[in-house]
Amino acid sequence: GQNIDQPTEMTATEGAIVQINCTYQTSGFNGLFWYQQHAGEAPTFLSYNVLDGLEEKGRFSSFLSRSKGYSYLLLKELQMKDSASYLCAVSRSNDYKLSFGAGTTVTVRA
Amino acid sequence: DTGVSQDPRHKITKRGQNVTFRCDPISEHNRLYWYRQTLGQGPEFLTYFQNEAQLEKSRLLSDRFSAERPKGSFSTLEIQRTEQGDSAMYLCASSLGTDRAYEQYFGPGTRLTVT
Repeated sequence: GQNIDQPTEMTATEGAIVQINCTYQTSGFNGLFWYQQHAGEAPTFLSYNVLDGLEEKGRFSSFLSRSKGYSYLLLKELQMKDSASYLCAVSRSNDYKLSFGAGTTVTVRA
Repeated sequence: DTGVSQDPRHKITKRGQNVTFRCDPISEHNRLYWYRQTLGQGPEFLTYFQNEAQLEKSRLLSDRFSAERPKGSFSTLEIQRTEQGDSAMYLCASSLGTDRAYEQYFGPGTRLTVT
């Protein structure tokens, strides 16, 4: 099975930066995903890392270290609309089924 | 709207009844996934299809659960003899069966409440 750990909650101020860490233990690791989920809505894809390093996409960046079983999602220039749950997920093989962490609820305050 | 759609959005049923949910994936996507999500948790994988073939089923999927994708397009998930523990959000996702297969697009979900 997989163990995927991420903090339960984080709070930050509008305009600030927040880093959400995710650690995982899994056999046959293929890739790591980040999804955003607003309350009552479906998860939406944010990023996918398969190689070590940083992937930047606008205000959001995602980092992966395969040797350490570690990833983070960096949210810059926080906006109120970024208040949501952020889900870390891993896939093990080419079937791309996802195993999710419990999610990190980020609250952005004015 | 050309995204993933699910029907119904909400279902309230009494324990012991059967329920069926439908998922319509994005039309060119040949992979279709079912997940279940309970409050405060991430989605849990249930099963997935490559075209009409069901390739994997989670151990979470007891014999009361069955999923089909008869023509490789829409899919149905049936739960027989529902139990209160089945109350959850049932999410469907689809993806391309190519090197972009990693990007799964989720539908809005069907929220099941078993009373």
